[in-house]
Order: sequence, then structure tokens, then C-alpha cells
Amino acid sequence: DIQMTQSPSYVSASVGDRVTISCRASQGFNNFLAWYQQKPGKVPNLLIYAASTLQSGVPSRFSGSGSGTEFTLTISSLQPEDVATYYCQNYNSVPYTFGPGTKVDIK
Amino acid sequence: QVQLVQSGAEVKKPGASVKISCQAAGYAFTSYFIHWMRQVPGQGPEWMGMINPGGGATKYAQSFQGRVTMSRDMSTNTVYMELSSLRFEDTAVFYCARSAAWGGKHPFDIWGQGTVVSVS
Repeated sequence: DIQMTQSPSYVSASVGDRVTISCRASQGFNNFLAWYQQKPGKVPNLLIYAASTLQSGVPSRFSGSGSGTEFTLTISSLQPEDVATYYCQNYNSVPYTFGPGTKVDIK
Repeated sequence: QVQLVQSGAEVKKPGASVKISCQAAGYAFTSYFIHWMRQVPGQGPEWMGMINPGGGATKYAQSFQGRVTMSRDMSTNTVYMELSSLRFEDTAVFYCARSAAWGGKHPFDIWGQGTVVSVS
């Protein structure tokens, strides 16, 4: 099974700051890597797939990059509505594992 | 409107079973796989398994093998997930989600609203 880890587990930043979240896979795979945003008490929402493709309707301040075992989610200018927990996910091979999450808060 | 609508909250005793439904609407039912996830409070989602509504084929995560059964009803565009031998640690929100069944591998683009299961 591919294990996913994320860092940091928590980040607090000011409105307008650039925020970067890392995701590492225990073994390399084709870029079938997705990022989801989950606001408190809400359902996970797909932000990015194929490591770097923005899902329709997602603001352009979100971007993804990486390949192999190292992936990154970047929020270019943090907004109050971005307060949430972010998860990466391997959808390359079953089991489709998720990372433990990174909680993003406003300072 | 494309959506997945799940059944309501459940309270169960340890050792019992729970069966949750996920009804698809607004799209071709057989064109998308349905996946099930368990999310324990404070943790990330955990993939439990998937079903191909077209043929009924299933794949289960090793950690749930033997306890989970997924099925579908083509007449109502509904997928079911039954989890048996419930434990306290199964207290969680359970989600269904879809991924496209054609042309390679696809992420989970639509999720159900979640079903809270409490084991106590």
C-alpha cells in the first residue's frame, strides 16, 4: 500500500500570505494525486487532480505541483474562506490512501 | 443536479451491523464508480472500498475485508455499504463519492453529505 504523509500538520498564516503544504508518498507513482479541502463540519471538496490540474470552479490562488513521491499544494494569497483542513490522496492504485491532513488557520 | 444523497444517522451497539445507502442523481449511474470512506473525528478519510455500478464488481480495502459488503440497486440508482461486527472505533462519518469509470484514473469529484454512525 502507498502511505501518504503531509507536513506541516498545522499552519497559521495571515490573510494575503503564501501557504505551502507538502505531501509525500511512500513510493513513487504516476501523478494520480489529488488535493481536497474540508471546511469544518463539511464534506471534502476536490481542489486539484493529476497533481496540478485545477478542478472547475476552484479559485486560481490554489495550485499544485510535484511528481514521483513529492507533491505540493500552494495557496498564493490566503483568504479567510480558506480556513480548512487539506488532504492529499493517491488515486493511482488501491487502496486509495489519503494523507493525515494539514489544518490551515488565519493568524 | 448531480448529487449523491446518503441515508440518515445511525446508532448501533458493538457487534451489530449497519447498512448505509447512497442514491445517485443527475448523471448516468453506470458511468461512475462509487467509493466509500470512513472518517473518524480528527482524522483523514480512510478508503474502504469501491463498487462498479455497471457490473457490480467490488474491491475492498484489506483493513475492512470480511466486514464490509457493497451492493447496488439498478432500479433506484442506489449503492449500499454494509459494515458488520461494529466496534467502538467505527464511530465516524461515512461518505460515498464517485469517480469516472472511463478513460483511465479519476479523482473523487462528487461526495455524498455523509452519514454519522455512532457505536455505543
